[in-house]
Amino acid sequence: DQQVKQNSPSLSVQEGRISILNCDYTNSMFDYFLWYKKYPAEGPTFLISISSIKDKNEDGRFTVFLNKSAKHLSLHIVPSQPGDSAVYFCAASPTGANSKLTFGKGITLSVRP
Amino acid sequence: EAQVTQNPRYLITVTGKKLTVTCSQNMNHEYMSWYRQDPGLGLRQIYYSMNVEVTDKGDVPEGYKVSRKEKRNFPLILESPSPNQTSLYFCASSLGLQGTQYFGPGTRLLVL
Repeated sequence: DQQVKQNSPSLSVQEGRISILNCDYTNSMFDYFLWYKKYPAEGPTFLISISSIKDKNEDGRFTVFLNKSAKHLSLHIVPSQPGDSAVYFCAASPTGANSKLTFGKGITLSVRP
Repeated sequence: EAQVTQNPRYLITVTGKKLTVTCSQNMNHEYMSWYRQDPGLGLRQIYYSMNVEVTDKGDVPEGYKVSRKEKRNFPLILESPSPNQTSLYFCASSLGLQGTQYFGPGTRLLVL
């Protein structure tokens, strides 16, 4: 049972335009969400996170939106750059002593020059 | 430089031959974890450790062992590897349970 779903395996956008990467979750206990970025031959690197007490968190060109009622979050990249081309993983964690991250399958973003 | 290191980076082995993938972090993190990445399945947690001598199973622990005798090291042991353990493995560490996880560069394992 996939608790964190990234239903679109890939996304292609033009440089300078907005990239919107979506993520859905099913576990109501999740209250902390993260996005990781992964380049080929490298480990994932943390990009941005959001706690359930917020509905938006912004860091430069990256903004994450959380809709708790819909169990949906999205990552917006504006403007998109060719260097943003990578695999993006959504991850979620519940509060608690044994919290651990559950990852989605990832979305491959390609930004065309 | 703060980092998580894994060795080896690439490994080809045969079914049944015991192997160990080492993981070390220099950030004094309590929490360490092992993941495997497979096409179409994303990252799945194998084992994690909340501190020295404290380990617990993740989502896919079968066929793997871990140990945490020192804070900085968290080796992954495959006692009798099988072809379905062919995968890309990542070690990660964080300061706490919800701290940012820092990942190693990955170990690509092929079991023949």
